[in-house]
Amino acid sequence: KNQVEQSPQSLIILEGKNCTLQCNYTVSPFSNLRWYKQDTGRGPVSLTIMTFSENTKSNGRYTATLDADTKQSSLHITASQLSDSASYICVVSANQAGTALIFGKGTTLSVSS
Amino acid sequence: KAGVTQTPRYLIKTRGQQVTLSCSPISGHRSVSWYQQTPGQGLQFLFEYFSETQRNKGNFPGRFSGRQFSNSRSEMNVSTLELGDSALYLCASRLGQGPYNEQFFGPGTRLTVL
Repeated sequence: KNQVEQSPQSLIILEGKNCTLQCNYTVSPFSNLRWYKQDTGRGPVSLTIMTFSENTKSNGRYTATLDADTKQSSLHITASQLSDSASYICVVSANQAGTALIFGKGTTLSVSS
Repeated sequence: KAGVTQTPRYLIKTRGQQVTLSCSPISGHRSVSWYQQTPGQGLQFLFEYFSETQRNKGNFPGRFSGRQFSNSRSEMNVSTLELGDSALYLCASRLGQGPYNEQFFGPGTRLTVL
């Protein structure tokens, strides 16, 4: 069964600190993996997308990594800001059309001052 | 360029009623997808429309239906509402089909079923 699992479920960190969110998937076939950020009361916004052959993708203070062998991805946030408080969702596409999307349940990040 | 818009933003209905949600995609985008988001299940795919045709469907009962108009605007209908249908319904549009066409999400419609 295609599944995407994220950990931790929630996380609280101090402003300025770094953190890493995890995503493990059992999806076949694998097309690509995206990380989304969803602010409260808003729709998700794409942060990064990685294909099978890509190991790292950065978007400002966000860096995603992908290990296709172990089927693991991580999202590293550097020098966190209050505006990073949000839910982060890992999504794996299970077909070339990009339509068979398997969503993780997300990690809720709270950044406090 | 305006983003994806959804109306209404909030809706309260009672069990047994039906509801219609609307989505206007980004101008030029021909693909519209619908998702249900709940705290327990996260985001779940409902269906995708492209050029007025349903291209993919998730694992939801037939009470959930949708359509897309020639201007790419889409509507989603839920009949015989159940308490478990309370959720945030998200619409997303993209330029075309294909794995690297990014989806842009709307703000969602918060449906509460009493």
